[in-house]
Amino acid sequence: EAGVAQSPRYKIIEKRQSVAFWCNPISGHATLYWYQQILGQGPKLLIQFQNNGVVDDSQLPKDRFSAERLKGVDSTLKIQPAKLEDSAVYLCASSLNRDPSLYGYTFGSGTRLTVV
Amino acid sequence: GENVEQHPSTLSVQEGDSAVIKCTYSDSASNYFPWYKQELGKRPQLIIDIRSNVGEKKDQRIAVTLNKTAKHFSLHITETQPEDSAVYFCAAYTGGFKTIFGAGTRLFVKA
Repeated sequence: EAGVAQSPRYKIIEKRQSVAFWCNPISGHATLYWYQQILGQGPKLLIQFQNNGVVDDSQLPKDRFSAERLKGVDSTLKIQPAKLEDSAVYLCASSLNRDPSLYGYTFGSGTRLTVV
Repeated sequence: GENVEQHPSTLSVQEGDSAVIKCTYSDSASNYFPWYKQELGKRPQLIIDIRSNVGEKKDQRIAVTLNKTAKHFSLHITETQPEDSAVYFCAAYTGGFKTIFGAGTRLFVKA
């Protein structure tokens, strides 16, 4: 089975610029997650989708971050404008359904963002 | 809010020795505890997990123990090998469909 695809793998931007990341989950996976992993820390959930609806975006900095999953498949995460502290790896993960204890979830390889 | 603390942050062992990583969670409703291994530049991958109705689970050289009363769980790796060198993350899943990750432990296995 194909894994979770993410692009780009790397991105370097200047602060105050905008950037977008793309994720294609495993086929048939209803739940999609975006995590932010700052160097030396564990992944932190930014937003969780169930099909095309948002389940949890309580830790998403909504003044600058936005995400969508319009057709319940691919998703994009956008940052506008970027700050230096946004430098991190952005991981996408997907799961068959909302309970990972039943279905587990699979991470993509991530997008490493550097804001200079 | 929910929190998962992980110790130590760095662990160095000699090849063949055992390694133990400990995590403590705050939400007593947590019922599923996965462990992930992340090699440099790669995605986190699930290596073992345990549910709240089980006290211990073993898979070859890897075992996980859970103490629900104390709200802590541990990863045990026996007969460590250089390829075990990686960052290990614990996580706790709550009934609110939320998984909280620990900060990670960087394990070095010296040949």
